Amino acid sequence: EAGVAQSPRYKIIEKRQSVAFWCNPISGHATLYWYQQILGQGPKLLIQFQNNGVVDDSQLPKDRFSAERLKGVDSTLKIQPAKLEDSAVYLCASSLGTWGELFFGEGSRLTVL
Amino acid sequence: GNSVTQMEGPVTLSEEAFLTINCTYTATGYPSLFWYVQYPGEGLQLLLKATKADDKGSNKGFEATYRKETTSFHLEKGSVQVSDSAVYFCALSGGDYKLSFGAGTTVTVRA
Repeated sequence: EAGVAQSPRYKIIEKRQSVAFWCNPISGHATLYWYQQILGQGPKLLIQFQNNGVVDDSQLPKDRFSAERLKGVDSTLKIQPAKLEDSAVYLCASSLGTWGELFFGEGSRLTVL
Repeated sequence: GNSVTQMEGPVTLSEEAFLTINCTYTATGYPSLFWYVQYPGEGLQLLLKATKADDKGSNKGFEATYRKETTSFHLEKGSVQVSDSAVYFCALSGGDYKLSFGAGTTVTVRA
């Protein structure tokens, strides 16, 4: 079974530039999550989708971050404009809905200079 | 709100040593508790879970018991191997399919 795919794995940009991350969840998984993991901290939920609807985006900085999940499958997370504090690993995860059993991708590491 | 506090690292051990990583939680209701592990160069993966008080989760020689009276879910392994070197995250789910993670504990096992 293919796992959660993310790209790019690494991205370096300057502040005020924009960046987009892509995620392809495990086939059949209705729930998709984006987490932000800053170095030395645990992952923090940014947004949760159920199919193509947003369930929770309370911790998404909406002035600069946006996410969409078209057709209930792939998802993109965009940051525009980026700030230095956005340097982190962005993790995508998916689940069938089983309580807490998330499957994570390898993450996209963003460095903002 | 829900939160998890886990033992700070890093932790360095010799092979065959006993490992304990402490985890305590704050939550309303009856959460489910998890340990996730992140091996070098890999994504987070579920190690074990417990969904109700006194449940014991186990996998790959690791164990953790859901203790409601002490709001704890400590991870233990009796004899670690070099391949257990990883970052371990304690996590909690309040039933809304969202996980709240601890800060992670880096474990290094020396041969």
